[in-house]
Amino acid sequence: TQLLEQSPQFLSIQEGENLTVYCNSSSVFSSLQWYRQEPGEGPVLLVTVVTGGEVKKLKRLTFQFGDARKDSSLHITAAQPGDTGLYLCAGAGLTGNQFYFGTGTSLTVIP
Amino acid sequence: GAGVSQSPSNKVTEKGKDVELRCDPISGHTALYWYRQSLGQGLEFLIYFQGNSAPDKSGLPSDRFSAERTGGSVSTLTIQRTQQEDSAVYLCASRLSPRGITDTQYFGPGTRLTVL
Repeated sequence: TQLLEQSPQFLSIQEGENLTVYCNSSSVFSSLQWYRQEPGEGPVLLVTVVTGGEVKKLKRLTFQFGDARKDSSLHITAAQPGDTGLYLCAGAGLTGNQFYFGTGTSLTVIP
Repeated sequence: GAGVSQSPSNKVTEKGKDVELRCDPISGHTALYWYRQSLGQGLEFLIYFQGNSAPDKSGLPSDRFSAERTGGSVSTLTIQRTQQEDSAVYLCASRLSPRGITDTQYFGPGTRLTVL
């Protein structure tokens, strides 16, 4: 059973386009993280959001945590080929020790 | 600086054999996690170690899976009598402290296990 569902599962877009990835759950999390993973490597943390309704921006990436702390979104503006990778969300349980990963979104940005 | 390292990077084994996967966490990190990742998919939690506390084994899929963490540092994940469905990338991550809910997990590159 996957606690966190991501959509879309696959996304292929042209350089310069915008996109949004969604991470949804029926469970409440103490925090939510977004990672990017490239082939042959482990995931690398992009951001952690903690407060319901929180919005964080990292250059062209905007992350939002839902008000009820059950869902999140990642929006990329003017996508670049370097954004290509597998994007994973992960929710932390209420103790903050265990992490539940989403199903992943594979993004390809075509030059 | 040294990150999380894992060995071997690739392991091919025959069905029924035992395998050992090793993880060297970042020095000083008290928390260590093992995850399993099927091709292009999300990560499945396996086990979590925190200092000298009893590990959280709630994610281990069967009693063929076990893990140790010696001296609060290096960890070994053992899979006995491997099955084809065990084929996956096994990822290890370490974390400085469990008290900071925003503390980052640092992942190793993973071990790709193929069971023939």
